Amino acid sequence: RKEVEQDPGPFNVPEGATVAFNCTYSNSASQSFFWYRQDCRKEPKLLMSVYSSGNEDGRFTAQLNRASQYISLLIRDSKLSDSATYLCVVYGMDSSYKLIFGSGTRLLVRP
Amino acid sequence: NAGVTQTPKFQVLKTGQSMTLQCAQDMNHNSMYWYRQDPGMGLRLIYYSASEGTTDKGEVPNGYNVSRLNKREFSLRLESAAPSQTSVYFCASSVVGGGQGQETQYFGPGTRLLVL
Repeated sequence: RKEVEQDPGPFNVPEGATVAFNCTYSNSASQSFFWYRQDCRKEPKLLMSVYSSGNEDGRFTAQLNRASQYISLLIRDSKLSDSATYLCVVYGMDSSYKLIFGSGTRLLVRP
Repeated sequence: NAGVTQTPKFQVLKTGQSMTLQCAQDMNHNSMYWYRQDPGMGLRLIYYSASEGTTDKGEVPNGYNVSRLNKREFSLRLESAAPSQTSVYFCASSVVGGGQGQETQYFGPGTRLLVL
């Protein structure tokens, strides 16, 4: 079983739609969680951290469910510019500062 | 402030050739990382350096070596390239995590490597 699993998609949605991605992780002792965004043929960039209480940044909302070991990302009012791959990232439990990346969920927003 | 830079951007090698991928950051970060990204596999950590003078193996270190030349630079060397090393290689850096992992990793633009 992969340590971090994501539905690869693609999710194909019209502009203005609300779309949600889920991600599951295997290590129940994981401490920190993130969503990174990666545009085609570009480097990943941090979109947002995920806090236990849930957090929102504009149109983006991240939630963490520790009991079920999943993380979600909700995007409201999708824009064409949201088209990208969204990477779920989990911080490993050892002391080596290692992030574990999911393989990503691809989002396509159409006009 | 260039962030994280990588050279070269593209490279084609023949099986058995060697090369070094260069990475530099100007953000005064302590930690640096090398990842490879393959289709459907996500980013996998090759090696990392938590601070100047230290390096450690990641998930997929076989076939690679690294050098933390100074605080700014972290190079990745392929001694004898194999077709299985065809991939996109990303370098990243971060401020020391402090054990909580809340720091952001900043990535370079990547090196696309093809081994024939």
